[in-house]
Amino acid sequence: EAGVAQSPRYKIIEKRQSVAFWCNPISGHATLYWYQQILGQGPKLLIQFQNNGVVDDSQLPKDRFSAERLKGVDSTLKIQPAKLEDSAVYLCASSFLGRRENIQYFGAGTRLSVL
Amino acid sequence: DAKTTQPTSMDCAEGRAANLPCNHSTISGNEYVYWYRQIHSQGPQYIIHGLKNNETNEMASLIITEDRKSSTLILPHATLRDTAVYYCIVNPRGKLIFGQGTTLQVKP
Repeated sequence: EAGVAQSPRYKIIEKRQSVAFWCNPISGHATLYWYQQILGQGPKLLIQFQNNGVVDDSQLPKDRFSAERLKGVDSTLKIQPAKLEDSAVYLCASSFLGRRENIQYFGAGTRLSVL
Repeated sequence: DAKTTQPTSMDCAEGRAANLPCNHSTISGNEYVYWYRQIHSQGPQYIIHGLKNNETNEMASLIITEDRKSSTLILPHATLRDTAVYYCIVNPRGKLIFGQGTTLQVKP
């Protein structure tokens, strides 16, 4: 079974530029998550999708971050414009809908450096 | 939301059992205990979860106290590849809230 795929693995941009990350979840997983992990900290949830609808985006900085999952499969997270403090690893995870034990499976992440 | 407390770091000798403790004294009756780990430069990896009973899988064992206020993750024969940050998470309403975790260093 293929895992959660993310690209790119690394990205370096200058502040005020825009950037996009892509995620393809495990086949059949209806729930998709984006996390931000700042160096030395645990991952923090940014947004949760169920199919193509947003379940929770309370921690997403909506003035600069946006995410979509148009067909209920893969997803894109965008930052526009980027700030220095956005330097982090962006992790995508997915889980199977309908199970009480919500086990999430993570991709390898995209490491973003904002200069 | 239930909160967990873990030691910041632990060492373990290669080949020995690694026992990682976690306190979750405010856990609710229907909340699961989850363990994930994160090896350097990788995404978090699910290890095991439990509700009331002890659990075992190919990776580890999970021992939950009878009052459910604490648990221990056991890696029976630690290898160098088990060096990672281990997160104990009590999962309210399907969300994973990661703390600082325990950095386990397995030494030869």
